[in-house]
Amino acid sequence: GENVEQHPSTLSVQEGDSAVIKCTYSDSASNYFPWYKQELGKRPQLIIDIRSNVGEKKDQRIAVTLNKTAKHFSLHITETQPEDSAVYFCAASIGSGVYGGATNKLIFGTGTLLAVQP
Amino acid sequence: DTAVSQTPKYLVTQMGNDKSIKCEQNLGHDTMYWYKQDSKKFLKIMFSYNNKELIINETVPNRFSPKSPDKAHLNLHINSLELGDSAVYFCASSVSNTQYFGPGTRLTVL
Repeated sequence: GENVEQHPSTLSVQEGDSAVIKCTYSDSASNYFPWYKQELGKRPQLIIDIRSNVGEKKDQRIAVTLNKTAKHFSLHITETQPEDSAVYFCAASIGSGVYGGATNKLIFGTGTLLAVQP
Repeated sequence: DTAVSQTPKYLVTQMGNDKSIKCEQNLGHDTMYWYKQDSKKFLKIMFSYNNKELIINETVPNRFSPKSPDKAHLNLHINSLELGDSAVYFCASSVSNTQYFGPGTRLTVL
């Protein structure tokens, strides 16, 4: 079955530095790759996503890159701020669209605890 | 507010009891899910429903029984609770691939 590996498990950076989190997926049929941010005691919140027909996507300080050949995708956060501190999860999904997306099972990575030091 | 909501937020109970968690979404989505997040923060899908029909059942023990009375609601009933059921349970709904999570229910089994 699908497996998603995520590294590093913890990441500490100084405010203003960049942070990079990397994920690898196993199923080459995966075609949708979201990233979620989860603050302590809160719900996972979608921050950015990318589909397999795109190699890179950017939204202000956040960017995601996808290498389909290597089955790698990465989250890049620039100019980090203390409020970026949270657990970040990558995920991969094989989206067939059947049943309105109900078959689109998200397989999550194990999470990265990002700490941004002021 | 448009959102995915869950009740209760916290649930503390004894082993062997039966409990339910309720989820509602007013986003107009056809698809809803239940996820379990364990103490190591690992998020794993349990079930998905599309318009009241069960689509995904991820080898969850049959003590867990989801029920969808309509496409806006997906409840989770758990029989004979065990210590290992302690976790945070998240409901989610989706349009196409994008999934939106509820606030979670922290279940503690004593």
